[in-house]
Amino acid sequence: QQQVKQSPQSLIVQKGGISIINCAYENTAFDYFPWYQQFPGKGPALLIAIRPDVSEKKEGRFTISFNKSAKQFSLHIMDSQPGDSATYFCAASLGGSTLGRLYFGRGTQLTVWP
Amino acid sequence: DTAVSQTPKYLVTQMGNDKSIKCEQNLGHDTMYWYKQDSKKFLKIMFSYNNKELIINETVPNRFSPKSPDKAHLNLHINSLELGDSAVYFCASSKTGAGYTFGSGTRLTVV
Repeated sequence: QQQVKQSPQSLIVQKGGISIINCAYENTAFDYFPWYQQFPGKGPALLIAIRPDVSEKKEGRFTISFNKSAKQFSLHIMDSQPGDSATYFCAASLGGSTLGRLYFGRGTQLTVWP
Repeated sequence: DTAVSQTPKYLVTQMGNDKSIKCEQNLGHDTMYWYKQDSKKFLKIMFSYNNKELIINETVPNRFSPKSPDKAHLNLHINSLELGDSAVYFCASSKTGAGYTFGSGTRLTVV
């Protein structure tokens, strides 16, 4: 059972456009929601993360929007650049006895055309 | 450099062989993980250790055996390799309740 559902599977955006990737979860006990960026041949790297007590977090061109009642969160990449072309993973974790195990979405392949 | 380092980066081997992948982290994290990433990029957790104790053991063939000699190291040994084991294997570490730091991966190809 997929704990975190991510869409779209792939996304093509023109340079300067806004890239939006969406994720949904079921378990209301999740308390940490990170996004990871993975370039070919590299491991996923933490990009930005949010906890459910805030509705938005912005770091540079990257923003997470979080809707607790809808159990959804999304990544917005403003002014998308060719260098942003990568695979993006959303994730969610539980604290407590799971010791923060992350449940990953299936990933979104983002291509930004120059 | 502070990091999660895993070796080797590439591993090509024949079916039936036994191989090991090593992982070390110098971040002072207390939890380490092994993930398998298939050709569709899906990240599937295999094992997790906290302070040398196994805490997550997903449905993985028992040909896969993790070993954690200390909390900075988590190795993965694979017996009797099969074609379906071909994938990229990632080691990761974390402080409890925070994000992971991943290694750069080991691309295993079984021929």
